[in-house]
Amino acid sequence: GESVGLHLPTLSVQEGDNSIINCAYSNSASDYFIWYKQESGKGPQFIIDIRSNMDKRQGQRVTVLLNKTVKHLSLQIAATQPGDSAVYFCAETHQGGKLIFGQGTELSVKP
Amino acid sequence: GEEVAQTPKHLVRGEGQKAKLYCAPIKGHSYVFWYQQVLKNEFKFLISFQNENVFDETGMPKERFSAKCLPNSPCSLEIQATKLEDSAVYFCASSQSVRVSSNQPQHFGDGTRLSIL
Repeated sequence: GESVGLHLPTLSVQEGDNSIINCAYSNSASDYFIWYKQESGKGPQFIIDIRSNMDKRQGQRVTVLLNKTVKHLSLQIAATQPGDSAVYFCAETHQGGKLIFGQGTELSVKP
Repeated sequence: GEEVAQTPKHLVRGEGQKAKLYCAPIKGHSYVFWYQQVLKNEFKFLISFQNENVFDETGMPKERFSAKCLPNSPCSLEIQATKLEDSAVYFCASSQSVRVSSNQPQHFGDGTRLSIL
């Protein structure tokens, strides 16, 4: 389910199911997007990236989809595991290399 | 080193006191970025450096915040006359290139949690 207001959006899935986390970005001129995973007490960790000339990129158990028409990114995690529990952020790069992060989504995996 | 090292892990200051945070980038990385994360959610870009030169300071508050990256020293972020609203986790990241890619991503440290009482 999802929560609103000051709380992070949350996604709760059963171990072994697939997870889909969504993100909207703001700058139509952005040409590079990244998904980060943040575990409690840690910094963001790079998961997968995609350039704007692509609409899909696959990694190990993860896939990123990019829809430039509606400025939307999604991260798909196959066969979600308890170790995938974390907060996930999308980010777009702006001039000078700075990252502009979207709102995070907290993924909770039930064993 | 092979990791971005941030110190201290947790810093507690009374309102009005000064806070100073440190970041040692990965050896060989020319670019350093500072971000502020409030309430486990949004990251706000503050400032970036190319070696010891300020590269982009468009995110830095105009008052009370300053940062430096001096040769042969950790980079630092200093907040004068801290306010309750400065409570956040401050992350440092470093990269080899300003143009981020999967081969040259920004590597993040584990942050300094600043608590203003």
